[in-house]
Amino acid sequence: DGGITQSPKYLFRKEGQNVTLSCEQNLNHDAMYWYRQDPGQGLRLIYYSQIVNDFQKGDIAEGYSVSREKKESFPLTVTSAQKNPTAFYLCASSIWDTDTQYFGPGTRLTVL
Amino acid sequence: KQEVTQIPAALSVPEGENLVLNCSFTDSAIYNLQWFRQDPGKGLTSLLLIQSSQREQTSGRLNASLDKSSGRSTLYIAASQPGDSATYLCAVRVIDDYKLSFGAGTTVTVRA
Repeated sequence: DGGITQSPKYLFRKEGQNVTLSCEQNLNHDAMYWYRQDPGQGLRLIYYSQIVNDFQKGDIAEGYSVSREKKESFPLTVTSAQKNPTAFYLCASSIWDTDTQYFGPGTRLTVL
Repeated sequence: KQEVTQIPAALSVPEGENLVLNCSFTDSAIYNLQWFRQDPGKGLTSLLLIQSSQREQTSGRLNASLDKSSGRSTLYIAASQPGDSATYLCAVRVIDDYKLSFGAGTTVTVRA
């Protein structure tokens, strides 16, 4: 089956810890994205990657980091510098940055 | 900066009634507009994508219109069913920008 997978579904973090959220796609898409969703708000773009070994900051990149070493993988690290990380995180991909984006099932991160 | 607004935030209708969901945006220089569906705790599913040169798109019971000059899009869902209960989000891509700007969504409940 082609699609986007995110793991874990739920993640709990203690204050001061870094955590990494996984995003994998087997759609052969070039572009991948990370969004954050908070209750009552639209999705906000964290990071974006058009090709392997290249990525750009979105609107709310502070406290986050990414890598794109393989076309199919785009992990997101939430660092201790992110002051309010509790949120629902969504990964997406598209053939190119102008096409329909396909979303994964999301990871809910809670800071204890 | 593109601002996307969806009103109302929530809507409840009896089964069989037609649904009308509104999306407004501030910058009319758009590349395309997408409507997504999101079920509770899940990722987004693309419903319809309208290119800036188009006035509407249809898929089954769904019809989306676009009026760039007035900065508005409307999603119509005919003969609503309880399975249509979800949050519907619109997202706009501006020309020469890779980012999608999302509205906060309209949460729809269809009562059996």
